[in-house]
Amino acid sequence: GESVGLHLPTLSVQEGDNSIINCAYSNSASDYFIWYKQESGKGPQFIIDIRSNMDKRQGQRVTVLLNKTVKHLSLQIAATQPGDSAVYFCAEFYTGGFKTIFGAGTRLFVKA
Amino acid sequence: GAGVSQSPSNKVTEKGKDVELRCDPISGHTALYWYRQRLGQGLEFLIYFQGNSAPDKSGLPSDRFSAERTGESVSTLTIQRTQQEDSAVYLCASSSLRTGGATNTEAFFGQGTRLTVV
Repeated sequence: GESVGLHLPTLSVQEGDNSIINCAYSNSASDYFIWYKQESGKGPQFIIDIRSNMDKRQGQRVTVLLNKTVKHLSLQIAATQPGDSAVYFCAEFYTGGFKTIFGAGTRLFVKA
Repeated sequence: GAGVSQSPSNKVTEKGKDVELRCDPISGHTALYWYRQRLGQGLEFLIYFQGNSAPDKSGLPSDRFSAERTGESVSTLTIQRTQQEDSAVYLCASSSLRTGGATNTEAFFGQGTRLTVV
């Protein structure tokens, strides 16, 4: 669900390492779960989504894992690069209302 | 244009004044969202328009906030009697929702309007 008014947690990783960003969601009725990336001074940009009936989906250098039992979503970034430094938001999407609700973000710092 | 366009990009206003923020969505996108993002924080849902349906206003923080959208075109977010707590980046996004019969979850965001109330 939405986490408003909280300062963002930070994850710091070494360039070349894998990154894992986690997100807890609250609504079991969501049909899709989405990850967005927001670079400084820009609007969020879609990375990847996963349908609620799936456990895993892979994209280019990214993998999203969904654990509905514990309502947990994660984004794994392989071989993290300096350009991956950004804030990452998870989001829930309801096909009933077609509304996207953002969860708390995580700031990723990539150390060279 | 190719993307979502928001104007102005920056707005400084005096406390108590009204402001109007504009969003031009991607042509053909039926869904339009407004979000507020305070410095260093997450995205706060404000309002959602979908085609000709009644908008979902559940996120508007007070009656000083209102938004309009004509059909599937431009939307304006109006904040009346601005307060310092309204200072934030206001982001607009649009989405087609359907592509070839399949659900499309991707929302395209504009660069935002940075509002500063002094």
